[in-house]
Parts: sequence; structure tokens; C-alpha cells
Amino acid sequence: NAGVTQTPKFRILKIGQSMTLQCTQDMNHNYMYWYRQDPGMGLRLIHYSVGEGTTAKGEVPDGYNVSRLKKQNFLLGLESAAPSQTSVYFCASSRGTGPSREQYFGPGTRLTVT
Amino acid sequence: TQLLEQSPQFLSIQEGENLTVYCNSSSVFSSLQWYRQEPGEGPVLLVTVVTGGEVKKLKRLTFQFGDARKDSSLHITAAQPGDTGLYLCAGTAPDSWGKLQFGAGTQVVVTP
Repeated sequence: NAGVTQTPKFRILKIGQSMTLQCTQDMNHNYMYWYRQDPGMGLRLIHYSVGEGTTAKGEVPDGYNVSRLKKQNFLLGLESAAPSQTSVYFCASSRGTGPSREQYFGPGTRLTVT
Repeated sequence: TQLLEQSPQFLSIQEGENLTVYCNSSSVFSSLQWYRQEPGEGPVLLVTVVTGGEVKKLKRLTFQFGDARKDSSLHITAAQPGDTGLYLCAGTAPDSWGKLQFGAGTQVVVTP
């Protein structure tokens, strides 16, 4: 199993450009998440999805949009990149919710906005 | 948002030494998870603790959930270079649907 895959692995954007980060999971998980990881701040939830066609805002949603048209895919869009969005982005998925639900993470996308 | 504070932020030890990482909050969590993250990769789950006072052992790693479910610790016995990584704790709040709140992490470096 590939688990959770993300593309691209690295990307450099100029201020104001847009891009889409792609995430695919092959575990038939219902729940998918997008996090950003910044030094000294752990992982912060951007958006999440509890199933195909549904999305919701997390802790830091501003400047990002998401779509979940197919169960296995969760896309994260940056409409107009800003330097504050320089970060490492992780996609994760889980079978369900509840206190014991393990989240499986992708390898991350390192984004630099200059 | 319920905050999770991890200490220390950085820990450098020699192979064979023991270490303890702490994860503290003023809030109660339904469960606490510990993840390890290596450079260039995503976090990988080590353990989930659910019951107050629970102790779980995973080979040389011992995890404890506080009685009040507000804190947790990770103890590594006889650390090895392969234990090097960023250790993250993550909690699930009782009133959330299962979203995880992550601590900032503890970077552990074990040198031969």
C-alpha cells in the first residue's frame, strides 16, 4: 500500500501566485486533513473533511480552500500566495473519529513563497 | 483551542542514556497520542493512551497518561541513535469530534 501520497514535494511560489497541493490515500478512509507545520508551533489544522463532498474549517483556514470531490483525494488550494504561507504542509487520513483513531500522514510538501 | 506544552524543546543525549519528554495542559483530553517524525517525513503514530493513569510500554519506550488526563510523558530507556527524531504529543478534546491538537514537539538527538 502507498498509504498517503502528496504532490508536489517541493514548490517555490512568488507572492500572489496560486497553486494546488494534491493528496491521495488508498486506505478507503473517510476522514482527511490538511495541516501546516512551522518551527516551534507543531502541526496546525487548516481544513478537514469527514467524507466525499464535505469540508470544514480547522484552526488556521484563512487564505486556503479545499475540495473533496472523490473519497481518495483531498486538494488544498492557495488562492494568492503570501510569505506567511511558507511552511511544510502535511495531508493525513483516518478511518474515523474517536479517541483511538490513528491518523496516517503523507511525506509533506515544502512550500516557499518569495 | 486547548494548548499542549511539550518540554524540553530539545534534548541531546549519548547512546545508552535514559530520557523523558513531557506533555502538559491545563485542559482535560479524551485521549493522548504520541507521534515520532523523522526529517523529510510525516509523523508516525507510536501509541494512544485513553484512560487516566494508563501506562503503555513499547519495547524501550514507556508512555504514561496522567490521572487527571491533562498530561502525559514519554520515557526512553537506553536510548539508541535510531530513537533520534521529533516527538509530538497530540490530544483529543472531549468536546471535539476527534480533531487532534498538537504540541510543538521535542527534538531528540541520540549520538553514538
